[in-house]
Amino acid sequence: AQSVAQPEDQVNVAEGNPLTVKCTYSVSGNPYLFWYVQYPNRGLQFLLKYITGDNLVKGSYGFEAEFNKSQTSFHLKKPSALVSDSALYFCAVIRGNYGQNFVFGPGTRLSVLP
Amino acid sequence: DTAVSQTPKYLVTQMGNDKSIKCEQNLGHDTMYWYKQDSKKFLKIMFSYNNKELIINETVPNRFSPKSPDKAHLNLHINSLELGDSAVYFCASSRGQGAGQPQHFGDGTRLSIL
Repeated sequence: AQSVAQPEDQVNVAEGNPLTVKCTYSVSGNPYLFWYVQYPNRGLQFLLKYITGDNLVKGSYGFEAEFNKSQTSFHLKKPSALVSDSALYFCAVIRGNYGQNFVFGPGTRLSVLP
Repeated sequence: DTAVSQTPKYLVTQMGNDKSIKCEQNLGHDTMYWYKQDSKKFLKIMFSYNNKELIINETVPNRFSPKSPDKAHLNLHINSLELGDSAVYFCASSRGQGAGQPQHFGDGTRLSIL
């Protein structure tokens, strides 16, 4: 069964420092992986996705993610964190052949400290 | 213009009542979804419709009944509300069912059962 894990409930980073939010996955077949961000009292917003191709995927707001097949990971990164990046981040994998049944990880709360 | 809009934003009601949540998207998407986010922020898909046809129906009590009058609308009706139904319900939409299509979320309906 497809699943994703986000091993950290909370990540704290100082403004201006690089940030990493971790995600590992378990799928049968080729993985379709996504990152979403949720700000307080808002719905999820799409950041980026990996379907095929380059292992480094660039997305919105300066975020990028690195797909690593051998480690079954898809970590979200940003070279320089902003206080406004503080939010809840979800990794997701598509389950099934019809392609739209998302399985979300439990979320990681990112706090960027000024 | 809001891409995916849900009404109401807040819903407070008594146990045993019947209530509906409406969702509309103006993105021209073919596929719509309902998700439930619990108090620990876990996000789980409930239903998915493609062109008014049900394609995903997760293990959800039959007190929950989705209705899609047209492909721009997906409403959720809940009968005999229970305490455990308290959660945030998110509507989302995507362009077709192809793997890799990101989903666009509404800002949620916060349902509280007294």
